[in-house]
Amino acid sequence: GNSVTQMEGPVTLSEEAFLTINCTYTATGYPSLFWYVQYPGEGLQLLLKATKADDKGSNKGFEATYRKETTSFHLEKGSVQVSDSAVYFCALSVLNSGYSTLTFGKGTMLLVSP
Amino acid sequence: GAGVSQSPSNKVTEKGKDVELRCDPISGHTALYWYRQSLGQGLEFLIYFQGNSAPDKSGLPSDRFSAERTGGSVSTLTIQRTQQEDSAVYLCASSFLPRIETQYFGPGTRLLVL
Repeated sequence: GNSVTQMEGPVTLSEEAFLTINCTYTATGYPSLFWYVQYPGEGLQLLLKATKADDKGSNKGFEATYRKETTSFHLEKGSVQVSDSAVYFCALSVLNSGYSTLTFGKGTMLLVSP
Repeated sequence: GAGVSQSPSNKVTEKGKDVELRCDPISGHTALYWYRQSLGQGLEFLIYFQGNSAPDKSGLPSDRFSAERTGGSVSTLTIQRTQQEDSAVYLCASSFLPRIETQYFGPGTRLLVL
C-alpha cells in the first residue's frame, strides 16, 4: 500500500533560520508528491508539487525535490518567517483506474519565533 | 474565483443524532473527495466522487457514514447515530480532469459529538 512518513514536530526555529522537514514515502505505482500547508484556523492549501523523479517543486521560497532513489521529498526553506508558522503535510497520489486519492503524512507543526 | 466551500463550519451534536455536512466544489471540477482529520489519525480518505457516482467508498469507516452528490456539484456527507469518535474536522476537496492529482481543499467542518 501507499504511505507517507514525515518527521514529528513541533519544529521550533528562530526567524531567518534554515528549515528542513523530512518526508519519505512508499507507493505502489508512480506517485505524484505534494506538500500542503495548514495555517492556524484555515484549510489545507497546496504549497508545491512534483510529478516525476528529479522534479523540483517550489513556491513562496519553499522547495522540495522528488528523489526516487531515496523515496524522499524533503521540504526546505532558506530563511523562515514568523508567518510560516503552520502545519505542513507531505502527501502522495497515485493514478489508479483513472483517479487518484491523496495519502498524507501525519503533519509537522512549524513554530517560528521572532 | 470561488474556492471549495463547506457548511456548517462548526457543528456540535449529541451522541446518537444524525448530522449532514455539505460541500460545494469549485465550479467545473468533476472530481470530489471527502477526508477526515482527527487527532491521532491524521488525514484519512473517506470517499471519492466522479460526477455523481462514487467509485471509491473504501475509506468510509462504518455503515453509519454515507455520501451523495447531485448534479455533479454539491455533495452531502451524512453520519447517522453519531458517536464521540466521529468528532473530527471533515474536509472536502475537488479537482479538475486531467489534473486530477491536484486537489483543492475547503475550510472544513469541525464536528464535535458530545
